Amino acid sequence: GAVVSQHPSRVICKSGTSVKIECRSLDFQATTMFWYRQFPKKSLMLMATSNEGSKATYEQGVEKDKFLINHASLTLSTLTVTSAHPEDSSFYICSARGPYSGTAGDEQFFGPGTRLTVL
Amino acid sequence: LAKTTQPISMDSYEGQEVNITCSHNNIATNDYITWYQQFPSQGPRFIIQGYKTKVTNEVASLFIPADRKSSTLSLPRVSLSDTAVYYCLVGASGGYNKLIFGAGTRLAVHP
Repeated sequence: GAVVSQHPSRVICKSGTSVKIECRSLDFQATTMFWYRQFPKKSLMLMATSNEGSKATYEQGVEKDKFLINHASLTLSTLTVTSAHPEDSSFYICSARGPYSGTAGDEQFFGPGTRLTVL
Repeated sequence: LAKTTQPISMDSYEGQEVNITCSHNNIATNDYITWYQQFPSQGPRFIIQGYKTKVTNEVASLFIPADRKSSTLSLPRVSLSDTAVYYCLVGASGGYNKLIFGAGTRLAVHP
């Protein structure tokens, strides 16, 4: 099956610094990738939709200047949390949509997640 | 986007069949129904997807009535390792359509 990786899996940083999280589709090309964040015991919250070669589309309430998304190639999207603060500590998950099969629909393939802790 | 409603939590025992029902009254004609499983500190994992009637794979079955306003995920003979959160999502297929996660169902399987 399709594999999506994230790097790093875990990161601890000081308040005020920026952190970059990479999301890669390893064995397929993904024109569309999605970024989610998840707080403990809560559901995934969609942050933005990332399309290769164009600007990301952010969900309402998500600060685009704080969460910078770049989808430079068909296999890589990055999320940069700028000037991170303790309230940005969360589990960040990316997903990539595989090629549309045209038969039984398609599904998103999720990365393993990145645990961000801001001190 | 269609909103989904699932039970917040369920309990079961090893070897039992577990059925989790999801309501999606506002499902659109071109929406598919997809179920994901998530373990703590991991990304969701695709379980099964369907459009209508019944779909079965090596992991689960998905039952969808004719009106498609609900669906039931059936897990046969669960084990302790099936303890996880299960999410029901509805959405149109195609590269630009996003999936919105509801609260999910937290399944606890007991020995």
